[in-house]
Amino acid sequence: GAVVSQHPSWVICKSGTSVKIECRSLDFQATTMFWYRQFPKQSLMLMATSNEGSKATYEQGVEKDKFLINHASLTLSTLTVTSAHPEDSSFYICSAFSYGYTFGSGTRLTVV
Amino acid sequence: QQQVKQSPQSLIVQKGGISIINCAYENTAFDYFPWYQQFPGKGPALLIAIRPDVSEKKEGRFTISFNKSAKQFSLHIMDSQPGDSATYFCAATVYGNKLVFGAGTILRVKS
Repeated sequence: GAVVSQHPSWVICKSGTSVKIECRSLDFQATTMFWYRQFPKQSLMLMATSNEGSKATYEQGVEKDKFLINHASLTLSTLTVTSAHPEDSSFYICSAFSYGYTFGSGTRLTVV
Repeated sequence: QQQVKQSPQSLIVQKGGISIINCAYENTAFDYFPWYQQFPGKGPALLIAIRPDVSEKKEGRFTISFNKSAKQFSLHIMDSQPGDSATYFCAATVYGNKLVFGAGTILRVKS
C-alpha cells in the first residue's frame, strides 16, 4: 500500500532556530501534499496545501513566512519552521494525495 | 458550510460491544467520507471510506452507514476490542481537495 515517510519523528530545538521536517511518498507520486498541526486532544488543523512546483496555499491565520513549505518534487515536501518559539511546539503531520490520502507518522516538535 | 460535526467526544465500551460514532456535514458537494484511527504519537491511519452513492460499506468489524438526505454518516465498530482504543476522526471532502475533519472521538474499550 501507499506509504508516506515523515522525518524526523521528534525534534527538540532551541528558541530562535529553524527546523526542517521532511515528508516523502515512498511508492507513489503525490500530486498534492497537505501539512497539518495537531495540539493534544484536538483535531488536525490544516496549515497549507502544496502542489509540486508551485507555491503552497496557506490557510487563514497561518504565517507563511514562519512555516515555509517546499514541494520540489512529486515525492518530497518539506516544512521549515523558522525562528521557532515555544508556542510552535506541536505535532506536525503531512499527508500525500494520489489515489487517496496517506498520512505520515508525524513529527513532535518541542521548542525550548 | 465546511464544518463536520462529530459526536460523542468520548466513548467507553465494554469488550465485545458495539462502538458507534456519528458525524454530520453541511456541504452537499462533499463526495468522499473517510474515517481515520489515530494512536497517541502517530499519524492518522485510514480505516474505511465511503462515497455518497452507497448507503453502507463494511470492512471486517468496521461499517460505515451513510444517510445522504440527512447529511450524516456513522462508524460502527463491532465486537470492540481493547486494541481499538484510540482516537477516531471522521472527515469529508470533495475528492482531491483538502479534508475537513471532525473534532475526534476518544474511544476506550474496557476489558
